[in-house]
Amino acid sequence: GESVGLHLPTLSVQEGDNSIINCAYSNSASDYFIWYKQESGKGPQFIIDIRSNMDKRQGQRVTVLLNKTVKHLSLQIAATQPGDSAVYFCAEIDYGGSQGNLIFGKGTKLSVKP
Amino acid sequence: AAGVIQSPRHLIKEKRETATLKCYPIPRHDTVYWYQQGPGQDPQFLISFYEKMQSDKGSIPDRFSAQQFSDYHSELNMSSLELGDSALYFCASSLPGGGTDTQYFGPGTRLTVL
Repeated sequence: GESVGLHLPTLSVQEGDNSIINCAYSNSASDYFIWYKQESGKGPQFIIDIRSNMDKRQGQRVTVLLNKTVKHLSLQIAATQPGDSAVYFCAEIDYGGSQGNLIFGKGTKLSVKP
Repeated sequence: AAGVIQSPRHLIKEKRETATLKCYPIPRHDTVYWYQQGPGQDPQFLISFYEKMQSDKGSIPDRFSAQQFSDYHSELNMSSLELGDSALYFCASSLPGGGTDTQYFGPGTRLTVL
């Protein structure tokens, strides 16, 4: 994919505020979407997923919204904490076009100010 | 809970050398994926295996090869290393089902080619 080099989009929020991270995906045929959190030097960590037949799914402090009309995915984090600081990636899978490999979107760096 | 294990965690090689990265999936996971992540970039899919057979292929150079063994661990073999191969290499595994479920990532191997 197109490289953004070291200049990831950054979202800076105050501790306790809500965060919204957005992602535009590319394939209207994608069946499954996942949000991953990646801390520096670590592997991506699963946060929450959503199937294409849903438009909203809630987890603990996190909510994912899917708008298939405009191919948009968002991750909402309630009461953001310093431990939420990381790079967040959305990923999609088109099971009709692949055997399940993830196509990652561009990451967003979340910075939480105490 | 057991996670994906990758070894080595760090590897330094010279140009034109070879490297072997190992991945041990979560127990009972039969599908393994390899991803490459350059600095500040999103992970890019390389190759995947399901039940010891290659199931999908992404942007993996011809200089690289991989396989999955009878115990489901996988190895990524990299030859004629180039400076541009310096990256984090992640392995992910998923539950039985041919990769239709969430992928869990290992901690990654950081490869530096000098």
